[in-house]
Amino acid sequence: GAVVSQHPSWVICKSGTSVKIECRSLDFQATTMFWYRQFPKQSLMLMATSNEGSKATYEQGVEKDKFLINHASLTLSTLTVTSAHPEDSSFYICSATTGGTSGRAKNIQYFGAGTRLSVL
Amino acid sequence: KNQVEQSPQSLIILEGKNCTLQCNYTVSPFSNLRWYKQDTGRGPVSLTIMTFSENTKSNGRYTATLDADTKQSSLHITASQLSDSASYICVVADMNYGGATNKLIFGTGTLLAVQP
Repeated sequence: GAVVSQHPSWVICKSGTSVKIECRSLDFQATTMFWYRQFPKQSLMLMATSNEGSKATYEQGVEKDKFLINHASLTLSTLTVTSAHPEDSSFYICSATTGGTSGRAKNIQYFGAGTRLSVL
Repeated sequence: KNQVEQSPQSLIILEGKNCTLQCNYTVSPFSNLRWYKQDTGRGPVSLTIMTFSENTKSNGRYTATLDADTKQSSLHITASQLSDSASYICVVADMNYGGATNKLIFGTGTLLAVQP
């Protein structure tokens, strides 16, 4: 099955520093990748949708200058949390889809294992 | 109001017992409905995916049902095991979202604890 690798799985950083999270599709080409944030005991919230070679589309309320997304290749997307603050501490999860044209195939998202970010 | 609501919020059952988790949604039209299992500190793992025309889908000890008329779905777990302890999330793909891939609307999940 399709595998999505996320790295690192856990990161602790000081307030004001930037953190980069990588999301890789290991055995398929991901035309679209998604970045989610999940706070404790809450559901996943979509932050942005990223298509290879184009600018990411951010959800309402998500600061694009703070959460920089780069999708430079069909197998890699990165999320950089710039000038991180304690309120950015959360569980960040990426997913990837092949974006196939058939009705069901285009909707299958494969999730990474997540990255726990703790900002001190 | 959340477009995907799940009940109960949490559930404790004994190993070997069966349980049923509920999902009510208002997302319309929708492309498909999925159930995911999420272990603590891990990403979601897909259990089942059903289009609006499907009524039931099984994956081992997991059986999902869908009633598109009443906008309800359930996930039945048979002969529970300790490893079933996790959060179970109902997710509906929203067809109203533009682009090549539908937007997923996540429920808040049901936290299941299976005790020996």
